[in-house]
Amino acid sequence: QVQLVQSGAEVKKPGASVRVSCKASGYTFNEFYLNWVRQAPGQGLEWMGWINPNSGGTDFSPKFQGRVTMTRDTSITTAYLELHRLTSDDTAVYYCARTWQLAAARWFDPWGQGTLVTVSS
Amino acid sequence: SYVLTQPPSVSVAPGQTATVPCGGNNIVSKSVHWYRQMPGQAPVLVLYDNSDRPSGIPERISGATSGNTATLTITRVEAGDEADYYCQVWDSSTDHYVFGTGTKVTVL
Repeated sequence: QVQLVQSGAEVKKPGASVRVSCKASGYTFNEFYLNWVRQAPGQGLEWMGWINPNSGGTDFSPKFQGRVTMTRDTSITTAYLELHRLTSDDTAVYYCARTWQLAAARWFDPWGQGTLVTVSS
Repeated sequence: SYVLTQPPSVSVAPGQTATVPCGGNNIVSKSVHWYRQMPGQAPVLVLYDNSDRPSGIPERISGATSGNTATLTITRVEAGDEADYYCQVWDSSTDHYVFGTGTKVTVL
């Protein structure tokens, strides 16, 4: 079955960078965009950006532009999110999610299990 | 940028109908999708393209869009329906995605 499995929880100090991985299985990795979505404690869902696994092309929410990197390794069907210059406001659960597309409709299914990133001095 | 607004909470008695609105400018022109999130779990798709249900989602869950409001409706509400619900659209002008603010559905 289609599955996205993420790396484990991380604790980072302010100013550091974090890398979260998302291992895809059960489908052709290159055929579906992957997105990253985060959720701060007690808050809603916030879209961060997407990566095209086929080309490596990316696009980001303006909020994260300049501070985020999204890459992929097609040989191991894994996508990566890197967030730099971390602050306490980046403490959140980070999810990867696959894009489904039908004409002008685009939605996310499935989602990874989430990775908690805690930023604390 | 495009904004989606949801009420923070909706309360409903078991067996009754829960209605969760999602407001956005001329949202009827967009395709709206809905997710359910249980505490401590990842979101799960419950409706896509306004009103289509993925396999495994019961017919009690339905969706509609009109004017500036999309609506998720849960009939014959059960305790297991208690969760946070989020609407989402794709903004074709930016190729970016937007989530609603989320609604906590509480079963009394």
